[in-house]
Amino acid sequence: GAVVSQHPSRVICKSGTSVKIECRSLDFQATTMFWYRQFPKQSLMLMATSNEGSKATYEQGVEKDKFLINHASLTLSTLTVTSAHPEDSSFYICSADGGRGYEQYFGPGTRLTVT
Amino acid sequence: AQKVTQAQTEISVVEKEDVTLDCVYETRDTTYYLFWYKQPPSGELVFLIRRNSFDEQNEISGRYSWNFQKSTSSFNFTITASQVVDSAVYFCALSGYNTDKLIFGTGTRLQVFP
Repeated sequence: GAVVSQHPSRVICKSGTSVKIECRSLDFQATTMFWYRQFPKQSLMLMATSNEGSKATYEQGVEKDKFLINHASLTLSTLTVTSAHPEDSSFYICSADGGRGYEQYFGPGTRLTVT
Repeated sequence: AQKVTQAQTEISVVEKEDVTLDCVYETRDTTYYLFWYKQPPSGELVFLIRRNSFDEQNEISGRYSWNFQKSTSSFNFTITASQVVDSAVYFCALSGYNTDKLIFGTGTRLQVFP
């Protein structure tokens, strides 16, 4: 149980375009999902907390207008990187709250490359 | 403020050696959770263990064991008789009692050579 999927697993886009990444909880409902970013050989940095039906809470230093997060249902959260630039190239990982307050189930990640 | 420190950036061992990965944390919460995750080259995080702050018993799971010491704010991870498949980046993480936010350490890259 507790499977989280991400789509796409890899995406290459041109500078200036927008990219949407989906995060789905496949066999459970998640009122809270999290988005992380990981640069090569670095740790995971929390970008934002996504709550179903409300606005996401962004961590300090993360641009809300650049990283649009939508959590429209209990099983789906999306992260849209708007007007992507090469410095946005990274590994984006989502996780979903399993409902017990201390468990997070991680997706397999999406590798974004902006050319 | 919460913080997780993994001082070992990279460790290399030869197969069958035992290896310990260190984790030191800082928190003002009296109740908190500690985690270890494995990230193989594929990138997907693999959950290894969760420990709550009230449970200081050491845990063993096969070749893996964890030593939680509140007195030194450490939660170290030992792999016994390491194998090549253990090669990965290992992250220690911390969350507070009333929050789902995970604070990750910088990770330790373990390379096990045959």
